[in-house]
Amino acid sequence: DTEVTQTPKHLVMGMTNKKSLKCEQHMGHRAMYWYKQKAKKPPELMFVYSYEKLSINESVPSRFSPECPNSSLLNLHLHALQPEDSALYLCASTPLTWYSGTDTQYFGPGTRLTVL
Amino acid sequence: QKEVEQNSGPLSVPEGAIASLNCTYSDRGSQSFFWYRQYSGKSPELIMFIYSNGDKEDGRFTAQLNKASQYVSLLIRDSQPSDSATYLCAVKVASNAGGTSYGKLTFGQGTILTVHP
Repeated sequence: DTEVTQTPKHLVMGMTNKKSLKCEQHMGHRAMYWYKQKAKKPPELMFVYSYEKLSINESVPSRFSPECPNSSLLNLHLHALQPEDSALYLCASTPLTWYSGTDTQYFGPGTRLTVL
Repeated sequence: QKEVEQNSGPLSVPEGAIASLNCTYSDRGSQSFFWYRQYSGKSPELIMFIYSNGDKEDGRFTAQLNKASQYVSLLIRDSQPSDSATYLCAVKVASNAGGTSYGKLTFGQGTILTVHP
């Protein structure tokens, strides 16, 4: 199983709402990532988790709050977002040794977020 | 200078032709190189990855890597209309933060490829 799943596929929320994005993988990967992709732009790294601990925060605003409750699950909690946060949010996972190895990064299908 | 640069598009080729996509990178510590295909509204789909100098072939796709020139390319033979998509070049470097090593992908801006019948 080389699949990363994400839910929901689409999400529309108001600026005062609180919502969460969910990502799941069952490949035994211990590194998980959140990316944000705006239209006609490449994915931009937001967060990296390794062994369920936040390793990297690429200066992401606090209205985005990641959480990794276990080795298979990654959440992104959203609160007080702005319309410019509308984007495709991608989750990915890799083996923890990927930084020195030759494996690949597996992307989920993404959540299309629209902030009104 | 951008870390990863791709040839500016869009690129248009006739069906059956060879499409050539190019990418240069600035970090000599880069370890692995990836080509992703992304259809509009979808997530990136891995086409190939390469980490050794030379060519790597998979079906109609050939990736070429030249580390001395810091150059990686993707050739698509017998291009099909279904190959029409944005192609993203991505470069992996190893980084360290807070005592944790991790791999980081840096993407190029993408090249839009259109294969017309």
